[in-house]
Amino acid sequence: EVQLVESGGGLVQPGGSLRLSCAASGFSFSRHSMNWVRRAPGKGLEWVAYISGRSDTKYYADSVKGRFTISRDNAKNSLYLQMNSLRDEDTAVYYCARDGNRGGDSDCWGQGTLVTVSS
Amino acid sequence: DIQMTQSPSSLSASVGDRVTITCRTSQSITRYINWYQQKPGKAPKLLIYGVSSLQSGVPSRFSGSGSGTDFTLTISSLQPEDFATYYCQQIYNTPLFGPGTTVDIK
Repeated sequence: EVQLVESGGGLVQPGGSLRLSCAASGFSFSRHSMNWVRRAPGKGLEWVAYISGRSDTKYYADSVKGRFTISRDNAKNSLYLQMNSLRDEDTAVYYCARDGNRGGDSDCWGQGTLVTVSS
Repeated sequence: DIQMTQSPSSLSASVGDRVTITCRTSQSITRYINWYQQKPGKAPKLLIYGVSSLQSGVPSRFSGSGSGTDFTLTISSLQPEDFATYYCQQIYNTPLFGPGTTVDIK
């Protein structure tokens, strides 16, 4: 069974840092690009970052560029999101999502981890 | 940057109704559009990819159509488990989700 499990969320002060992890199982992790997507309270879905299977291509939303870093460890079947200089507006549930290898759809999602940025 | 709109932003419908949600982009995205369903407290679920391809396991009452800048998600006969929020997503360039359409019980 394909499974994605996020961890690392929590309460952090503005300006602080947090590292999210996503543990993948049930599929060949290195063969799939991965994404981070978030949903802020009362708002819609927002794509955050993308990383290719070999980590040679990375893209970021303008709202997080320069502050967030996506990475992966294929040996550990894990995806990461390092979040620095956190702002109130980064408060959201963060999901990792697997790219379906069909041109950009996300066919499998984790359950999400809540990040709250507040003083 | 590509802009996306969805209409309506919300709708009320009854079980058995035919429901149509429209997604419009500010420039042509050919066929690079997907549709997702999200229920409260749950992760999004892929319904349709590449305009009209049904994701494995998704009921056939869901269908997608369109091209260029105008796209449609149709639920042919609304079921109780379909009350949720629906998002279109363009992947022509940097991924972007539409603002969402909430379908609730009439």
